[in-house]
Amino acid sequence: QKEVEQNSGPLSVPEGAIASLNCTYSDRGSQSFFWYRQYSGKSPELIMFIYSNGDKEDGRFTAQLNKASQYVSLLIRDSQPSDSATYLCAVNRGGATNKLIFGTGTLLAVQP
Amino acid sequence: GAVVSQHPSRVICKSGTSVKIECRSLDFQATTMFWYRQFPKQSLMLMATSNEGSKATYEQGVEKDKFLINHASLTLSTLTVTSAHPEDSSFYICSAPGRGGQETQYFGPGTRLLVL
Repeated sequence: QKEVEQNSGPLSVPEGAIASLNCTYSDRGSQSFFWYRQYSGKSPELIMFIYSNGDKEDGRFTAQLNKASQYVSLLIRDSQPSDSATYLCAVNRGGATNKLIFGTGTLLAVQP
Repeated sequence: GAVVSQHPSRVICKSGTSVKIECRSLDFQATTMFWYRQFPKQSLMLMATSNEGSKATYEQGVEKDKFLINHASLTLSTLTVTSAHPEDSSFYICSAPGRGGQETQYFGPGTRLLVL
């Protein structure tokens, strides 16, 4: 079992719709969770991070965390073609090292 | 957010040569930096943790004698790929924890290495 799992996609949604991206993790001791966006040929860009159970909203983005189910998701409202990218889920297990473990990413395609 | 730069952005070299990649934190000090490698259509794989003033910590399976890391100052870490071979061709990305919290990492723009 991979430590961080994501559906590779592609996830195709029409412009203006809600895109829902999901991620599960195996280490129950994981403490912080991140969503990065990566355009083709570019490095990852931080979108959001979440530490506590529940929802965290930032503009069109909402991160949701459920530690009991070891599940974290990202909702993108009013999806735009410019949102088309690979979305990487990352988990920090905490401790002194602060290493991030990445999932393989979900490719999102927003259709105009 | 924090700003991290990398140089060069792209390098092509012959097999057997060594390549040095620089990672700089531009507006903050970073006692720790991370080096990742990403092959096409794959996720980021952590190679090593660079520690200012001490030895780097390498992930399992990463050859420390092949991927030399030096973190000589609070704003600069370098990765040297020694005796590069075509299988080392990849996208190398560094990151540093931002001021928002040590857990938050900001990535440099990456260096694309092609070994012929």
